[in-house]
Amino acid sequence: GAVVSQHPSRVICKSGTSVKIECRSLDFQATTMFWYRQFPKKSLMLMATSNEGSKATYEQGVEKDKFLINHASLTLSTLTVTSAHPEDSSFYICSGASGHPGELFFGEGSRLTVL
Amino acid sequence: GDSVTQMEGPVTLSEEACLTINCTYTATGYPSLFWYVQYPGEGLQLLLKATKADDKGSNKGFEATYRKETTSFHLEKGSVQVSDSAVYFCALSDSQAGTALIFGKGTTLSVSS
Repeated sequence: GAVVSQHPSRVICKSGTSVKIECRSLDFQATTMFWYRQFPKKSLMLMATSNEGSKATYEQGVEKDKFLINHASLTLSTLTVTSAHPEDSSFYICSGASGHPGELFFGEGSRLTVL
Repeated sequence: GDSVTQMEGPVTLSEEACLTINCTYTATGYPSLFWYVQYPGEGLQLLLKATKADDKGSNKGFEATYRKETTSFHLEKGSVQVSDSAVYFCALSDSQAGTALIFGKGTTLSVSS
């Protein structure tokens, strides 16, 4: 299947700093990318949907000013956690849509730890 | 809204035992149904899918049948291996391209030799 690469896979930062996570589709063009957050022993919670060249659509309860999403090209989307706090520590996963219904390809995930 | 409910884990089995992980869904339309697997330290991978009622998805010895009458998509395998130890997620999406998946909470499977 198609490949989605996330970077970094792990990041530790101090409280109050900002962290950027990149999500790249390596061998297909992802017009739509999704950002999920995975809590320990819980499912993946959809945070936002981003379409190339337009503003992201955030799910209810997700702070758009804290979780900045940019989808500047068909192969790159970024999630920036601004002014991170310990409660933002989590596993963040991106996925790209290939255009076929329900066909999503997932990145390896990025584990953020905020001290 | 649409939702997915799957059995809570963890599920602990011996090698060669039979596996069933239950999954039921609630949807207003006619969703596509998926099982994803997450091996330790890795990202999510599509295991199998079914796009309409009575379809059976299968892969790596795993099977699941789209049952519209019971709104279910149970995952089954006749003989599990240690290498099947992972977290399994049931998911659905509506029929349109580019829509997000809605996931169940995941079921952890541990298989011992």
